[in-house]
Amino acid sequence: SQQGEEDPQALSIQEGENATMNCSYKTSINNLQWYRQNSGRGLVHLILIRSNEREKHSGRLRVTLDTSKKSSSLLITASRAADTASYFCATLGPPFSQGGSEKLVFGKGTKLTVNP
Amino acid sequence: DAGITQSPRHKVTETGTPVTLRCHQTENHRYMYWYRQDPGHGLRLIHYSYGVKDTDKGEVSDGYSVSRSKTEDFLLTLESATSSQTSVYFCAISEGPWRTDYEQYFGPGTRLTVT
Repeated sequence: SQQGEEDPQALSIQEGENATMNCSYKTSINNLQWYRQNSGRGLVHLILIRSNEREKHSGRLRVTLDTSKKSSSLLITASRAADTASYFCATLGPPFSQGGSEKLVFGKGTKLTVNP
Repeated sequence: DAGITQSPRHKVTETGTPVTLRCHQTENHRYMYWYRQDPGHGLRLIHYSYGVKDTDKGEVSDGYSVSRSKTEDFLLTLESATSSQTSVYFCAISEGPWRTDYEQYFGPGTRLTVT
């Protein structure tokens, strides 16, 4: 299936450290997106990277995409306690005309805990 | 939560009863989605809508139906609730179709328990 798989499932770090989360997927994609979910809340979009891009930055976030390895990583630099949340990657498949599903498929998430 | 509300926010119901969840948006976005979130499964798409009265199935649509009679409202109905439908349900909206670079905006979720 197209579903992304995040790794690790859980990550605990100290405030100020960097946090790296990985996402692997199985089929070709149109784009890959990262979302954050605070406990008991809905998902919030963080960043989108297209299949022809290799790296993207947004504030303290850095996303890389390696389509040859079908993997992406999300780096949060200088983490803060407020970054504690679950992080999900979501992949958008190719259009129907290319045999894809055109569905946005979410992984199971990485639970990040940043200790003060 | 980007002008998206869900009602009710919490509901407990008995097996076999019908349940309707409502998603309301004030953003005038064309696309609306219903997901369910379960431990170990992440988010899974139930149904989505690409316009008024235009809907399609997602990956876990069995046991669910939807309706969209107005741009701002997207209803999810469980015709006869089962315990396997105990979950947290999220509504999402987006401006554009799947194949363009549009992010999705999520509502706060509805926690449904079927006893």
